[in-house]
Amino acid sequence: QSVLTQPPSVSAAPGQRVTISCSGGDSNIGNNYVSWYQQLPGTAPKLLLYDNNRRTSGIPDRFSGSRSGTSGTLGITGLQTGDEADYFCGTWDSSLNAWVFGGGTRLTVL
Amino acid sequence: QVQLMESGGGVVQPERSLRLSCKASGFVFSNYAMHWVRQAPGKGLEWVALIWFDGTKKYYADSVKGRFTISRDNSNNTLFLQMNSLRAEDTAIYFCAREEVSFCGGHCPPGSWGQGTLVTVSS
Repeated sequence: QSVLTQPPSVSAAPGQRVTISCSGGDSNIGNNYVSWYQQLPGTAPKLLLYDNNRRTSGIPDRFSGSRSGTSGTLGITGLQTGDEADYFCGTWDSSLNAWVFGGGTRLTVL
Repeated sequence: QVQLMESGGGVVQPERSLRLSCKASGFVFSNYAMHWVRQAPGKGLEWVALIWFDGTKKYYADSVKGRFTISRDNSNNTLFLQMNSLRAEDTAIYFCAREEVSFCGGHCPPGSWGQGTLVTVSS
């Protein structure tokens, strides 16, 4: 059971917008920045966003992030078939003194 | 560019030990904290351990505390994970990852990742 809770799957059509939620608590998302990762099949995870909404180099502005209270959200606009992947949220947990990840969300672009 | 190359994985019997290595290049290794993260087959990401840039602080997931030890050799740009008393549930791909921001003190996310090395614990 992951400390951070994500929906197992989301889907949307090409060109549409999708959001993925990440729910935590006061000791993690409530007081630390949220990061988001994309993992394509058979590859290592890739950091998309950190500090809640800061994109890493080369990540298009179709990807955005936000945090409100103890939840974070990843938004993807203009969906492409190449966006089909598993997405994970992560953050530091100040009570556990550990980095924690969500269980992951599989995005299907119909 | 940042390169991280894990090695040392393989098949090992339960209760035995294994040592993973991660050779880094393309950045000033001694300026960055380093993580180990694992992924069991078909499962999500599980953070394993973190070591500060200078090795003075180390943090572990509860699932490996007391069995695994993270260390680093800054003179040889190499990260290690000593895994003892291995269990079937330790079977996973083990990734090393560099913290996204230098001198961040562990709270910054794993940014650049290696391709991983597979550890299989089985009798």
